[in-house]
Amino acid sequence: KQEVTQIPAALSVPEGENLVLNCSFTDSAIYNLQWFRQDPGKGLTSLLLIQSSQREQTSGRLNASLDKSSGRSTLYIAASQPGDSATYLCAVRPPNTGNQFYFGTGTSLTVIP
Amino acid sequence: DAMVIQNPRYQVTQFGKPVTLSCSQTLNHNVMYWYQQKSSQAPKLLFHYYDKDFNNEADTPDNFQSRRPNTSFCFLDIRSPGLGDAAMYLCATSRDRGHGTQYFGPGTRLLVL
Repeated sequence: KQEVTQIPAALSVPEGENLVLNCSFTDSAIYNLQWFRQDPGKGLTSLLLIQSSQREQTSGRLNASLDKSSGRSTLYIAASQPGDSATYLCAVRPPNTGNQFYFGTGTSLTVIP
Repeated sequence: DAMVIQNPRYQVTQFGKPVTLSCSQTLNHNVMYWYQQKSSQAPKLLFHYYDKDFNNEADTPDNFQSRRPNTSFCFLDIRSPGLGDAAMYLCATSRDRGHGTQYFGPGTRLLVL
């Protein structure tokens, strides 16, 4: 069974700093990987989706990379802002498992003004 | 415009009293999912519908049922809620199985007294 780990569980940075969030998964045979943002008490907002054939995806200040062979993905946030404070979750979809997404438990990010 | 709508946002029920959570979508997506997310945990897939085809996860308790009367709506029924069922319930959609992005609703927070 696929296991997804996100370290650290919590991170605090001063405003303006660039930062990297990590996601690792145990089975490199994945169909895609998706990064989400979750604000307290709210649903999930999709940030970036990387297909298994892709190496990275970019959206504004966000850049997600994927290294399937090592079972890793990173989410890079440039010039962090207080509004970026949230929990960031990654989820992987393995092939041939119906429709299951395996989620990590997230990294709680606090950007200090 | 909201694409995945969940009602109510907060639901309080009594131990053992049946409760129904609602999800609707304006995306005309084929797949609808229900996830359970407990505090500080990863979302856990309960089941999903691919069109009218219901797919239950192996470890989803029998206490949880779902209905999808049409493309736009999907319901989560909890027949006899226990204290351990208190959680955030997230509805999500995707256009198809496989490589598409999942779009999440804001969630319904269920409290069991």
